Formats: sequence, C-alpha cells, structure tokens
Amino acid sequence: EPEVTQTPSHQVTQMGQEVILRCVPISNHLYFYWYRQILGQKVEFLVSFYNNEISEKSEIFDDQFSVERPDGSNFTLKIRSTKLEDSAMYFCASSEGEGLIYGYTFGSGTRLTVV
Amino acid sequence: ILNVEQSPQSLHVQEGDSTNFTCSFPSSNFYALHWYRWETAKSPEALFVMTLNGDEKKKGRISATLNTKEGYSYLYIKGSQPEDSATYLCASLASGGSYIPTFGRGTSLIVHP
Repeated sequence: EPEVTQTPSHQVTQMGQEVILRCVPISNHLYFYWYRQILGQKVEFLVSFYNNEISEKSEIFDDQFSVERPDGSNFTLKIRSTKLEDSAMYFCASSEGEGLIYGYTFGSGTRLTVV
Repeated sequence: ILNVEQSPQSLHVQEGDSTNFTCSFPSSNFYALHWYRWETAKSPEALFVMTLNGDEKKKGRISATLNTKEGYSYLYIKGSQPEDSATYLCASLASGGSYIPTFGRGTSLIVHP
C-alpha cells in the first residue's frame, strides 16, 4: 500500500538553528499538508499546499515557517530559527482530493526536539 | 476554529469487551467527519470518512455512527483485542470557509489481554 514517508524520524536541534523536515507524499496525490502535535496537546494544522502554492495556513504558520516542493516529489517544511516551543511531532499528510471525502494519508512523523 | 471534543480521554478495557467513545463537534455548517486510528510509533490511519446524518460505517469489528443535527459521532469496537490498542482521533470539517479538518485530542484505548 502506498505510504507517505518522512525523514528524519527524530531531529534534535539547538534553539535558533534552522531545520528542514522532509516528506515524500504519495505520488498521485495532489494535496499536501503539515500538522504538528505538541506533547499532550491536539493535532494542529499548519499549512496546506496545492498546485505548487500554499492554499491555507494557520496562525501557527508564521514567517519562521516555509514549505516547498523543490523537485516534484519531496515536500519540505523549513523552520528558520527554531524556538523551544517548536518541539513537537510534525506530520506530513497527502490526499487525492481536498481531503473532504477522501481522508488523509499521514506519514509516521518527525519528532523535533529543540534544546 | 472548530471546537472538537472527544471523550473519554483514555479507556482501559479487557480483551473481549465491547467499547465505544464519542466525538462532539459543532453541528452548524457541518461538512464531514474523519476518524483515524493512531498506533504508537506509526502514522494515523484513516478509518472512516462520514458526511451524511445517520451514516453508519463499518470496518471489521469497528463501526461508527454520525448525528450531524446534534453534533456527535460514536465509534464502537466489538470484542476488543489487544491489537486495537491505539489512540482514536476524530476530525471535523465545516463548510463555508476553510475545509481544513480540526482534530480532537483523541481517545487512548488500551486493551488488556
């Protein structure tokens, strides 16, 4: 069964450093998403991406965050200058359609720890 | 931002017990509800996508119902097995604006052998 793959599975970084989280969505999916879950809290939406541009973003997704689809297969989330409160599990997801009736396929996540 | 609540937060049952838990969401502008099953160290897996009031969906021993007028969905597991241990997430989508789902906190189910 097709999978969404994320790398790395765990990243530790120092506060103020830049991190790039990588995702390879399912190849025929058109919509891509990043979510995060801070330990003990809800899964939170960050950003959705369609047709090579951001279609929706939350208030969490400020100027420190950016997304790219550099080569037509990878989908990356960059955090420019990490803060302690960015420590969370980051999930990439993709869907065939807008996710309304298809549901999402999630990757297994990247656990980001900012120290 | 939608307010999606799940209860209970955690649940311990014995193997063979049947169990159910609840997802509550705003009934106004309802569009769709997703249920996901999330095992530790794995990715959330879509179980059901539900859109119509009165919908009932089934996948093996797991089933879900939807009441869009009162804003709740139940997830049932019949004859729980240890491999059913996971966190069950629901996510609600509303029409009339962003179609991005809002997730609940999840119900953590542990099935003891």
